[in-house]
Amino acid sequence: EAGVAQSPRYKIIEKRQSVAFWCNPISGHATLYWYQQILGQGPKLLIQFQNNGVVDDSQLPKDRFSAERLKGVDSTLKIQPAKLEDSAVYLCASRGYEQYFGPGTRLTVT
Amino acid sequence: GQSLEQPSEVTAVEGAIVQINCTYQTSGFYGLSWYQQHDGGAPTFLSYNALDGLEETGRFSSFLSRSDSYGYLLLQELQMKDSASYFCAVRDQRETGANNLFFGTGTRLTVIP
Repeated sequence: EAGVAQSPRYKIIEKRQSVAFWCNPISGHATLYWYQQILGQGPKLLIQFQNNGVVDDSQLPKDRFSAERLKGVDSTLKIQPAKLEDSAVYLCASRGYEQYFGPGTRLTVT
Repeated sequence: GQSLEQPSEVTAVEGAIVQINCTYQTSGFYGLSWYQQHDGGAPTFLSYNALDGLEETGRFSSFLSRSDSYGYLLLQELQMKDSASYFCAVRDQRETGANNLFFGTGTRLTVIP
């Protein structure tokens, strides 16, 4: 079975620019998550989708972060405008028995 | 809120046994998961405990005591490839009804020859 796909793998932008990340979950997985992992820390949940609806976005900084999952499959996470502290790996996961993570997008904001 | 504590670093010798402890505080506790993450890689699922006791999967075992809010991951017959970060994560039933994972800060395991 194919795993969770994410792109791009790496992204370097300047502060105040915008950036978008894409995720394709494991086929058939209705639940999708976006996490932020800062170097040396554990993943921190940003948002959870069930099909195309948001279940939990309580930790998403909504003034600059947005996410959507329009058709209940692929999802995009956007940051606009980016800040230096947004430098992190952004992980997408989907859930079957447990959560399965994609390879992540490493974002560097300069 | 939730909080988890685990040692930041552990070093062990190849072939030995190592135990990584995790204590947690949370409401709406469902269970405790363990994930492995190699540098630059994605977290990968190792084990899940919902009930008290020991779960064994090959060289890895995980233990949970709900009354003590405590769990551990036991790695036996350590191999060099086991050098990685290990995260405990509580599965928590939030007010939103979401069943989410909340991760600790991770334990970096270094296996030496």
